[in-house]
Amino acid sequence: QQQVKQSPQSLIVQKGGISIINCAYENTAFDYFPWYQQFPGKGPALLIAIRPDVSEKKEGRFTISFNKSAKQFSLHIMDSQPGDSATYFCAASRGSSNTGKLIFGQGTTLQVKP
Amino acid sequence: DVKVTQSSRYLVKRTGEKVFLECVQDMDHENMFWYRQDPGLGLRLIYFSYDVKMKEKGDIPEGYSVSREKKERFSLILESASTNQTSMYLCASSSLLRGVYGYTFGSGTRLTVV
Repeated sequence: QQQVKQSPQSLIVQKGGISIINCAYENTAFDYFPWYQQFPGKGPALLIAIRPDVSEKKEGRFTISFNKSAKQFSLHIMDSQPGDSATYFCAASRGSSNTGKLIFGQGTTLQVKP
Repeated sequence: DVKVTQSSRYLVKRTGEKVFLECVQDMDHENMFWYRQDPGLGLRLIYFSYDVKMKEKGDIPEGYSVSREKKERFSLILESASTNQTSMYLCASSSLLRGVYGYTFGSGTRLTVV
């Protein structure tokens, strides 16, 4: 019940295309769903996050879509650029916990070809 | 600029050695975490601490221990290093901000056990 399953493991997209990464969770107590972006040699950094009271959140070219009934959420990168090439992790946590401990997905390595 | 600093970027240790990975944060965060990152497995939580001298096991604590004597410092200890502990180790800290826990990661320590 603590797992977050992420797919695909790797993704190759042409410049200007749309990148889509999907995640699914089991624990209905999760109430915070962030996405992290990691460049080589760096630690992950928060990219965008959503709460289950909304179905979509957009920040620039990055959009999270959230489907509470299906227990799924996805990251869409519009007009993908070579600079978006990185590893992306979805995560989930229970806000009511005293640590906000994040459970991470398996990661997706995105390559955007020029 | 807030920081989580991991003492070493690369470490090579021999099987059976006792290994110390150090992490220091300058944000006065209550919570600190140790994750290991392996391809296809994502970020897996080893241990976390929500206060000085307090610690809790994560999902894969076997073969590891931790120490938190001061709020800013969280150490991961491999009591007797083994080759299956070759991995990237990431330290993170978090604190509650606007109702959610924001994570800041260090750049990681790549440990090779030979």
